[in-house]
Amino acid sequence: EVQLVQSGAEVKKPGESLKISCKGSEYKFIDYWIAWVRQMPGKGLEWMGIIYPADSDTRYSPSFQGQVTMSADKSISTAYLQWSSLKASDTAMYYCARIVADSEGNWFDPWGQGTLVTVSS
Amino acid sequence: SYELIQPPSVSVSPGQTARITCFGDALPKQYTHWYQQKPGQAPVVVIYKDTERPSGIPERFSGSSSGTTVTLTISGVQAEDEADYFCQSSDSNGPYVFGTGTKVTVL
Repeated sequence: EVQLVQSGAEVKKPGESLKISCKGSEYKFIDYWIAWVRQMPGKGLEWMGIIYPADSDTRYSPSFQGQVTMSADKSISTAYLQWSSLKASDTAMYYCARIVADSEGNWFDPWGQGTLVTVSS
Repeated sequence: SYELIQPPSVSVSPGQTARITCFGDALPKQYTHWYQQKPGQAPVVVIYKDTERPSGIPERFSGSSSGTTVTLTISGVQAEDEADYFCQSSDSNGPYVFGTGTKVTVL
């Protein structure tokens, strides 16, 4: 079964740094883009950006450009999302998802279980 | 910025049909995909490319498209279908946009 497993919940203080992970299994990790999606408490889904693990080509949503950094280590089939200085407004659930693409469209399948990030003083 | 607009909520009795719409100007030119998110869980794709149903998704889930509106239909709604539903498509400014989300309540 194709699976994405994310790292555990984090509680951080404003100004701290953080790196969360997303490990793929049961598929060829370098062949698929990985997306990161934010869901703030009680809110909808926001696309943050995508990364291609084969060469770490990265595209950011304009809303998140400069706010986060995406990276990947293809040797261990893992993608990362990191912050250099967290803010309280970064409190949210963060999902990774594999992008399935053909000539007609791109969709997200499967999704990781989510990583809850709480930023509070 | 590009938006996909969904009704905030839909209520339906068990066994009835629920229809969830998603409106967007670019939808005639782009495929739309639908995700189900149950409380405390990650989203799951239930329809992709407007009308395609992934393996393992019940046949009561179907999709259709007409101009700027796409529709997710749940026929014979069951209590387990109570969830949030999000559409997703693309626009010229970026590859991925999510709809505003619809909460389906089974009465």
